Amino acid sequence: ILNVEQSPQSLHVQEGDSTNFTCSFPSSNFYALHWYRWETAKSPEALFVMTLNGDEKKKGRISATLNTKEGYSYLYIKGSQPEDSATYLCAFIEETSYDKVIFGPGTSLSVIP
Amino acid sequence: EPEVTQTPSHQVTQMGQEVILRCVPISNHLYFYWYRQILGQKVEFLVSFYNNEISEKSEIFDDQFSVERPDGSNFTLKIRSTKLEDSAMYFCASSVWGLMDNEQFFGPGTRLTVL
Repeated sequence: ILNVEQSPQSLHVQEGDSTNFTCSFPSSNFYALHWYRWETAKSPEALFVMTLNGDEKKKGRISATLNTKEGYSYLYIKGSQPEDSATYLCAFIEETSYDKVIFGPGTSLSVIP
Repeated sequence: EPEVTQTPSHQVTQMGQEVILRCVPISNHLYFYWYRQILGQKVEFLVSFYNNEISEKSEIFDDQFSVERPDGSNFTLKIRSTKLEDSAMYFCASSVWGLMDNEQFFGPGTRLTVL
């Protein structure tokens, strides 16, 4: 059974703080890694699709890096705002089952104004 | 902006009954997915569907489950004989093409309660 882990499970930061969290996945048979933001009472919304080792992607104040050889990805939020409060999910796709998505448990971020 | 829609938003059923959850993916998307999330647990992959057939399914997706794209717009998940443990939030998603370069777009979910 493939294991995709995320840490920390939850995080409370002050508005303006920068923060980061981790997604760990199997380092063999990597195909792709997705990051999603999931706000309460809404659907998960894609942030990044990452495929290459060393990839770094950015969307506004949010960025992500990928290390496929060691099996981790970091998500960074610079200058957190209350609207960043959400659960952040990573989703791992394995090369041998490239239409099958394994989600991590998520990191719940609360940004305190 | 195009979006994935799901109906109903909440379905309550008796154990042993059949339920059909409906999804309308984004119109030019070719890949379709169903996920579920039992309260307090991870989002779990159920099935992916492409070119009118299942491309991947998980261990959860047993003979009680089936999917169909009956009319070129709807994508349905049928649970033949519901169990208490099928109570969960069910999400449909679609992507324009495969997941190497393409994000999934999720619907708002159907909350299934089995009594």
